[in-house]
Amino acid sequence: EDQVTQSPEALRLQEGESSSLNCSYTVSGLRGLFWYRQDPGKGPEFLFTLYSAGEEKEKERLKATLTKKESFLHITAPKPEDSATYLCAVQQKRGGKLIFGQGTELSVKP
Amino acid sequence: EAQVTQNPRYLITVTGKKLTVTCSQNMNHEYMSWYRQDPGLGLRQIYYSMNVEVTDKGDVPEGYKVSRKEKRNFPLILESPSPNQTSLYFCASRRGTSTNTGELFFGEGSRLTVL
Repeated sequence: EDQVTQSPEALRLQEGESSSLNCSYTVSGLRGLFWYRQDPGKGPEFLFTLYSAGEEKEKERLKATLTKKESFLHITAPKPEDSATYLCAVQQKRGGKLIFGQGTELSVKP
Repeated sequence: EAQVTQNPRYLITVTGKKLTVTCSQNMNHEYMSWYRQDPGLGLRQIYYSMNVEVTDKGDVPEGYKVSRKEKRNFPLILESPSPNQTSLYFCASRRGTSTNTGELFFGEGSRLTVL
């Protein structure tokens, strides 16, 4: 069964304390892996798409990487405004369905 | 501004009282979808539509109906709501068909409570 597991469920960091969020997946044919950011009371907002193992994408303090089994979202020197829930989703090659993980709730304290 | 607009944003209703959550997008996207988000269960797809007059079931379609008469609109209908449909609902759209890897654009969400 195709599934996506994110860890940890919640992460508390001090401002400037770098860390990584993990997204492990099993899918019968990966078309793409997506990272989204979701702020409280808002809809998810697209961050990155990764297509193949070894690929990396960067945006400000965020860097996403992809292997054949997992993806990492690295946060370098986070700021309080980076606090949000980060969602990972994989798209099946066959049919194109998106399967979401349950998210990692990140809190960055000043 | 490119956006997906949902209404209402908040709704409290009673069991059995039919309701419709509207969704409209201004990006000329072919693909639209409805999700529900529940604690511990993440985002689950209810229905999706690859184009006008083409709809299909997602993972949790029971108790819901949709229609796609126009490209921009994709309403979600709860004919006889029950308490287990209390949830946060999101409409999303993207260009192209289901084989496209284009990003999904989400609405702001509709929080529904069924008493």
